Amino acid sequence: GIQVEQSPPDLILQEGANSTLRCNFSDSVNNLQWFHQNPWGQLINLFYIPSGTKQNGRLSATTVATERYSLLYISSSQTTDSGVYFCAAENSGTYKYIFGTGTRLKVLA
Amino acid sequence: SAVISQKPSRDICQRGTSLTIQCQVDSQVTMMFWYRQQPGQSLTLIATANQGSEATYESGFVIDKFPISRPNLTFSTLTVSNMSPEDSSIYLCSVVSGGGGAFFGQGTRLTVV
Repeated sequence: GIQVEQSPPDLILQEGANSTLRCNFSDSVNNLQWFHQNPWGQLINLFYIPSGTKQNGRLSATTVATERYSLLYISSSQTTDSGVYFCAAENSGTYKYIFGTGTRLKVLA
Repeated sequence: SAVISQKPSRDICQRGTSLTIQCQVDSQVTMMFWYRQQPGQSLTLIATANQGSEATYESGFVIDKFPISRPNLTFSTLTVSNMSPEDSSIYLCSVVSGGGGAFFGQGTRLTVV
């Protein structure tokens, strides 16, 4: 099955800084998503982005499907951005998502 | 998008007992999924809950330990049976929208003592 890797595993930022999170996947994908897991464990959808570029406020994402990676950009980070960011991919047509290992982000005030 | 409600949101259980987690969706969906997130780890798919047929389990997960029901297109339950401390995890149900995106319930945080 598809393998999903994320980097970096941990990231500490000062409030206001920008960051880029990376997701590599081992095969072509039908579906790819980015999630933010808040400290209470809830998974929040950020982007559904099997290809192309999307933006939502301070966050944007780009997936280059031919090169098998996706990037999540966080600009002007805030303390509320803290948590774990997961990418998840699916390529079997079954909608069974494989999750990456996550990037744990801490934004300091 | 879909609105998914899970109950309970958290529980502390004695080893050897069982807990049933409920997942309710605000619209009819064909596929529902159950995931487990062990402490400090990523999410792992347990099974696909199929309406009208038995659930399909992933490698490493068995029906006797994680029986699943799917009585209709908006509801599913996952039971964690004969619990041990190793079952302490967050359990999440998920559905897939028409556009292919997955949505998750708020999760059930289970602690087994």
